[in-house]
Amino acid sequence: GDSVTQMEGPVTLSEEAFLTINCTYTATGYPSLFWYVQYPGEGLQLLLKATKADDKGSNKGFEATYRKETTSFHLEKGSVQVSDSAVYFCALMMGAGSYQLTFGKGTKLSVIP
Amino acid sequence: NAGVMQNPRHLVRRRGQEARLRCSPMKGHSHVYWYRQLPEEGLKFMVYLQKENIIDESGMPKERFSAEFPKEGPSILRIQQVVRGDSAAYFCASSPKLAGSSYNEQFFGPGTRLTVL
Repeated sequence: GDSVTQMEGPVTLSEEAFLTINCTYTATGYPSLFWYVQYPGEGLQLLLKATKADDKGSNKGFEATYRKETTSFHLEKGSVQVSDSAVYFCALMMGAGSYQLTFGKGTKLSVIP
Repeated sequence: NAGVMQNPRHLVRRRGQEARLRCSPMKGHSHVYWYRQLPEEGLKFMVYLQKENIIDESGMPKERFSAEFPKEGPSILRIQQVVRGDSAAYFCASSPKLAGSSYNEQFFGPGTRLTVL
């Protein structure tokens, strides 16, 4: 079945450091790919998405590029802030009209001043 | 516009008791989804409901679990005779009806953390 694998956490970075959180997927077909973020005490929020190969999703300084050849969707940010501390989930959804999201296990990021 | 509301945020039950988890979707949203996150796992789809209809319950355990989304009031996820393995975070999401859209963004609630003693 479809699955998402993301790097284990927790990840601790100093403010202004470069962030990469790896995400790879296994799917039959061509899924849409997502990054969700969960801040402490809150629900998951959609951070960015990409619906086809070579698309780049971006939001709040975060970016991820849909790489079909490596089945990857790595999340990057050039300079993290303390306010970026959260749990990040990579997810996929198959096909138009679909509704089941398949999530990775989540990566906890802590940014220290 | 208030987000997706879930209550309670934390629920403790003893083995054999019943757990009722509530989800109020965002205003104007008629689609509700429930996901479960077991310890050290990602969120897993359980069930998709529209008002008064269960559309897809393929992710629900066959016994003890049920879900509803009545015409009035919140969606309810009900777990009867809870066991320790039911301890998890249960997330609800909702989406609007978007005719012709290839993707219905799901807006998530903060989750209910169920602990079974």
